Amino acid sequence: RKEVEQDPGPFNVPEGATVAFNCTYSNSASQSFFWYRQDCRKEPKLLMSVYSSGNEDGRFTAQLNRASQYISLLIRDSKLSDSATYLCVVNDGRYSYNTDKLIFGTGTRLQVFP
Amino acid sequence: GAVVSQHPSRVICKSGTSVKIECRSLDFQATTMFWYRQFPKQSLMLMATSNEGSKATYEQGVEKDKFLINHASLTLSTLTVTSAHPEDSSFYICSAHRDWGTQYFGPGTRLLVL
Repeated sequence: RKEVEQDPGPFNVPEGATVAFNCTYSNSASQSFFWYRQDCRKEPKLLMSVYSSGNEDGRFTAQLNRASQYISLLIRDSKLSDSATYLCVVNDGRYSYNTDKLIFGTGTRLQVFP
Repeated sequence: GAVVSQHPSRVICKSGTSVKIECRSLDFQATTMFWYRQFPKQSLMLMATSNEGSKATYEQGVEKDKFLINHASLTLSTLTVTSAHPEDSSFYICSAHRDWGTQYFGPGTRLLVL
């Protein structure tokens, strides 16, 4: 079983649509959770951290359910520029502050069309 | 935001040669940097954790004598792929740790070994 599982997609949605991505993780020691965005042939870029209470950043809303070990990302009013692969990322949780590893999901690909 | 640079961005080399990749944190000091590798349509896989002033910690299955890591200063880590072979062709990405669990990624280096 993969440590971080995501639906690979692709999700093809029209501009303006709302789309949700889900992710599950298996490591109960994980304490930090993130969504990264990766464009084709580029490096991952931090989209947002995910907090227990849920958090919102503009059109993006992230939710965390520790009991179910489940993370979600909601994108409202999709833009063409949102087309990318979205990576669910959790920390390993077994290492010290500055050496803690990140565990990446394989990503969910989003394609927004006009 | 934090800036991490990587050089070179692209390398084409003959089998058997060694390739050195540099990773620099430009506007912050990083005691810890990470080296990843990403094959097409796969997730980022951590190769090693690079610690300033000490030996790198390699992930299981990663040959330390083949992938030499040097973290000589708080802003520079280097990865040398020794005696590269075609199967080493991949996208190599470094990241620098800044805040709890947060890593900032370099733009990556595409290595093609002929």
